[in-house]
Amino acid sequence: EAQVTQNPRYLITVTGKKLTVTCSQNMNHEYMSWYRQDPGLGLRQIYYSMNVEVTDKGDVPEGYKVSRKEKRNFPLILESPSPNQTSLYFCASSLGAGGPIEQYFGPGTRLTVT
Amino acid sequence: AQKVTQAQTEISVVEKEDVTLDCVYETRDTTYYLFWYKQPPSGELVFLIRRNSFDEQNEISGRYSWNFQKSTSSFNFTITASQVVDSAVYFCALRTNAGNNRKLIWGLGTSLAVNP
Repeated sequence: EAQVTQNPRYLITVTGKKLTVTCSQNMNHEYMSWYRQDPGLGLRQIYYSMNVEVTDKGDVPEGYKVSRKEKRNFPLILESPSPNQTSLYFCASSLGAGGPIEQYFGPGTRLTVT
Repeated sequence: AQKVTQAQTEISVVEKEDVTLDCVYETRDTTYYLFWYKQPPSGELVFLIRRNSFDEQNEISGRYSWNFQKSTSSFNFTITASQVVDSAVYFCALRTNAGNNRKLIWGLGTSLAVNP
């Protein structure tokens, strides 16, 4: 089944404790992206990747890191989480350059930083 | 500037009523794409439809229909004979062809409650 998976689905952590949210897709998509969803602010892009080893900042990259060492994986790293990073996170993927291709989303990761 | 506005924050209907969710977008690009996603209470984002700027044909899929009007920059979504399972937050989103980033610009969503 074609899908985007994220782990963990739920995470409660404390300020400053490094964490990684994994994202994996099995559709051989070149493009991957991370969004966060917050009440009243909607969904905002954090980082995106056009292909392996090609990543760039989205609208709200501060406090986050990403890597794209393999085509299927695009982990989101919070080196020192803070309470303002409490949010619902979505990973998305789509085919590469050109064409109006829709993005497929993972199930979401609900992160709480205390 | 690019923007998506969903003016209806919350809508409540009784089962079997028809309901229309409004979406107005802003972009200066001539080529762009519009999307609707559904977010049920479980939280995932479910793709519903994509529309290209050069294709103004309306679309119907079962009880769902979409009305795309470039003249008014609107891409409205109608659910006919609503059901309780339609209860969700619905998002309209825009993507342009500018640059490599396939970032979606999202509206804030319309929360639809369908009551039995």
